[in-house]
Amino acid sequence: IAGITQAPTSQILAAGRRMTLRCTQDMRHNAMYWYRQDLGLGLRLIHYSNTAGTTGKGEVPDGYSVSRANTDDFPLTLASAVPSQTSVYFCASSDGLAGDEQFFGPGTRLTVL
Amino acid sequence: GQNIDQPTEMTATEGAIVQINCTYQTSGFNGLFWYQQHAGEAPTFLSYNVLDGLEEKGRFSSFLSRSKGYSYLLLKELQMKDSASYLCAVKDSNYQLIWGAGTKLIIKP
Repeated sequence: IAGITQAPTSQILAAGRRMTLRCTQDMRHNAMYWYRQDLGLGLRLIHYSNTAGTTGKGEVPDGYSVSRANTDDFPLTLASAVPSQTSVYFCASSDGLAGDEQFFGPGTRLTVL
Repeated sequence: GQNIDQPTEMTATEGAIVQINCTYQTSGFNGLFWYQQHAGEAPTFLSYNVLDGLEEKGRFSSFLSRSKGYSYLLLKELQMKDSASYLCAVKDSNYQLIWGAGTKLIIKP
């Protein structure tokens, strides 16, 4: 692995189903983030983790949950998907310092019907 | 509330210069970032400003005025591959990034 990966690349999901989006980084970054990107809107932070074992809520956390059991992995779970969760989801990581840049995964395109 | 404003779309000619503006109102300021995002791809880092002034990096430069809540990204010698969206983001008092909706830059030959 080089950098940050996400799986799946895309998914079509029936409303009400549970779904976990996977994110793995090999840069030993402390901080990880989940964003959603919708047309005409900026990236919106869903959840973040400043270090393994801790998580925090972002701007739009409702309907999503995360865990950070180790440094490398940061899965995002939709407990019961709804059509408004149709979006492109990006995972990102950074070393957690003040001026640090965020490195983004390739994204997961999720459609909830 | 927190707000980042940038133009929705701009058009420029190959070889020319273009300036993409960004104004912000955020709770606290801990730096401003510019990212480039090609269609269907992930954002990639371009520049970071935390002090007033101009930061130059090759064909790209970024300017910041904290007192005016204003930044711009300057792209010189435009190439067709510069066609992309350019995202402005500010790190707020909680050290979280607040993102603008992005400026879609169209380069014409």
